[in-house]
Amino acid sequence: DQQVKQNSPSLSVQEGRISILNCDYTNSMFDYFLWYKKYPAEGPTFLISISSIKDKNEDGRFTVFLNKSAKHLSLHIVPSQPGDSAVYFCAATGGSNYKLTFGKGTLLTVNP
Amino acid sequence: KAGVTQTPRYLIKTRGQQVTLSCSPISGHRSVSWYQQTPGQGLQFLFEYFSETQRNKGNFPGRFSGRQFSNSRSEMNVSTLELGDSALYLCASRHQGGTEAFFGQGTRLTVV
Repeated sequence: DQQVKQNSPSLSVQEGRISILNCDYTNSMFDYFLWYKKYPAEGPTFLISISSIKDKNEDGRFTVFLNKSAKHLSLHIVPSQPGDSAVYFCAATGGSNYKLTFGKGTLLTVNP
Repeated sequence: KAGVTQTPRYLIKTRGQQVTLSCSPISGHRSVSWYQQTPGQGLQFLFEYFSETQRNKGNFPGRFSGRQFSNSRSEMNVSTLELGDSALYLCASRHQGGTEAFFGQGTRLTVV
């Protein structure tokens, strides 16, 4: 049972445009959400997070939106750069359990 | 500040052998978690240690075990290796009270 789903395995955008990566979750106990970026053969790098008490969090070019009623979150990257090309993972955690549950990832390709 | 360090980076073992992987967390981080990444299953939680105690365990067989030392360094052991144990094993550390986990570069284990 996949509790965190990233339904788009891949996404391709042009440099300078917006990249929107989506994530859905099913577990109502999740109250904290994180996005990680991963290059091949490296560990995930933390990008941005959001608590369930917020609906938006911004950090530079990265903004995460959370829609609790829809159990949906999205990561917006504006403007997209070729160096952003990587696999992006959505992760969730909840309660006193600090275990991260990850989606399967979305491969973002930013074309020059 | 040094990041999470995992050793070795690459390992080749024969089926039936056992293996020990090592993780040094970010200085001051007392929580260490382990994850397995495979192409089919994505990133899956193995276990978490805090102050030398296992706090959470994922859905993996007993062949997978770990421990944490008083200096917060952690080791993960896999006994009786199977071909399906071939994966990227990732260690993450977290500051007490923090939710963001910071990952090491991983150990690529190949079982032949």
